[in-house]
Amino acid sequence: NAGVTQTPKFRVLKTGQSMTLLCAQDMNHEYMYWYRQDPGMGLRLIHYSVGEGTTAKGEVPDGYNVSRLKKQNFLLGLESAAPSQTSVYFCASSYVANEQYFGPGTRLTVT
Amino acid sequence: GENVEQHPSTLSVQEGDSAVIKCTYSDSASNYFPWYKQELGKGPQLIIDIRSNVGEKKDQRIAVTLNKTAKHFSLHITETQPEDSAVYFCAASIGGADGLTFGKGTHLIIQP
Repeated sequence: NAGVTQTPKFRVLKTGQSMTLLCAQDMNHEYMYWYRQDPGMGLRLIHYSVGEGTTAKGEVPDGYNVSRLKKQNFLLGLESAAPSQTSVYFCASSYVANEQYFGPGTRLTVT
Repeated sequence: GENVEQHPSTLSVQEGDSAVIKCTYSDSASNYFPWYKQELGKGPQLIIDIRSNVGEKKDQRIAVTLNKTAKHFSLHITETQPEDSAVYFCAASIGGADGLTFGKGTHLIIQP
């Protein structure tokens, strides 16, 4: 049981470039989440999904898009990266709405 | 929406002493309160949680207490050990699909 995995672990982008972060879980969880973590800000919810084919906006969705084509995968896209999107991105999943289990994170730097 | 305040931002204790981290929440409808431990370079790990129908929960050296009237909850770690050094986050939820609202974290330092 790998739990929640994230790809890649690190990435450096130039302003205006695009990329996709992949989250995968093998626990058959219905709910999946994308957070960003910035120094002194805690974790803030970007987007979430309550099941395959569904997505919804969280607290800070601007500049990001998501897709949940398969139950086990949740993709986070940046269409045109900006320096303000430099952050550590965490994916989480849960069977019920509350008990979330987190992946190891992706450290993204936008120059 | 929900707002969670966490104090202190940094806590330094001697090995073997107890540590207490406190959180307050704003939405009286919140009913689920987890605590996460985050070690350097890793994702947050759920260590204990409590629901609004319970006042206290213990798991070995860690315990969480909840005061619904005052809208605050606390994490207690007894007999602290070097491996307890980490950043701890509290969170609150009303049980909706949009998940958890996190505090800003407490950096716990265990002094040898």
